[in-house]
Amino acid sequence: GEDVEQSLFLSVREGDSSVINCTYTDSSSTYLYWYKQEPGAGLQLLTYIFSNMDMKQDQRLTVLLNKKDKHLSLRIADTQTGDSAIYFCAVRDDKIIFGKGTRLHILP
Amino acid sequence: DGGITQSPKYLFRKEGQNVTLSCEQNLNHDAMYWYRQDPGQGLRLIYYSQIVNDFQKGDIAEGYSVSREKKESFPLTVTSAQKNPTAFYLCASLGGSQHFGDGTRLSIL
Repeated sequence: GEDVEQSLFLSVREGDSSVINCTYTDSSSTYLYWYKQEPGAGLQLLTYIFSNMDMKQDQRLTVLLNKKDKHLSLRIADTQTGDSAIYFCAVRDDKIIFGKGTRLHILP
Repeated sequence: DGGITQSPKYLFRKEGQNVTLSCEQNLNHDAMYWYRQDPGQGLRLIYYSQIVNDFQKGDIAEGYSVSREKKESFPLTVTSAQKNPTAFYLCASLGGSQHFGDGTRLSIL
């Protein structure tokens, strides 16, 4: 079945850019998502990209999709302390499959 | 405002008890999902329903049951057969994207 892989941890200095990477196995995925989870809360949809797009930008967020390599990334510009959370990559085929999440830690 | 409501936020279960977690949505979405999240882990799919009166097992359905009698509601029952039920349970619905409730944290007394 579909497999979605992410690195588990990322540390970034406040004000720098964060880049969270994700790889997936199923090339028929139609939508690809990034979610944010703060402690004790549900998942908040940050952004998504259709499989026929290469890039999507939304304020400080940039999503890049490389379909050939099945690689999705989320770039957060000017990272702030409020960006500290777990970020989940998810891909959609007949159902949505999530990665294990990347914990983003902000260094002062 | 449209959204997904999960209740209760915290739930405690005694050994041998069944408990039911509530999930209600007013987004008019056909598909609804239940996930389990363990500390430091990702989301694992328990059950999902693409339409009223129909549901399918996910990856870890053993010890759980669901019903989908109404479009708005998708309750999850954690039965006494589930030997390790302590976890954070998330309900979601799917339209163009997947929307999540705030979760229910289940603990064993």
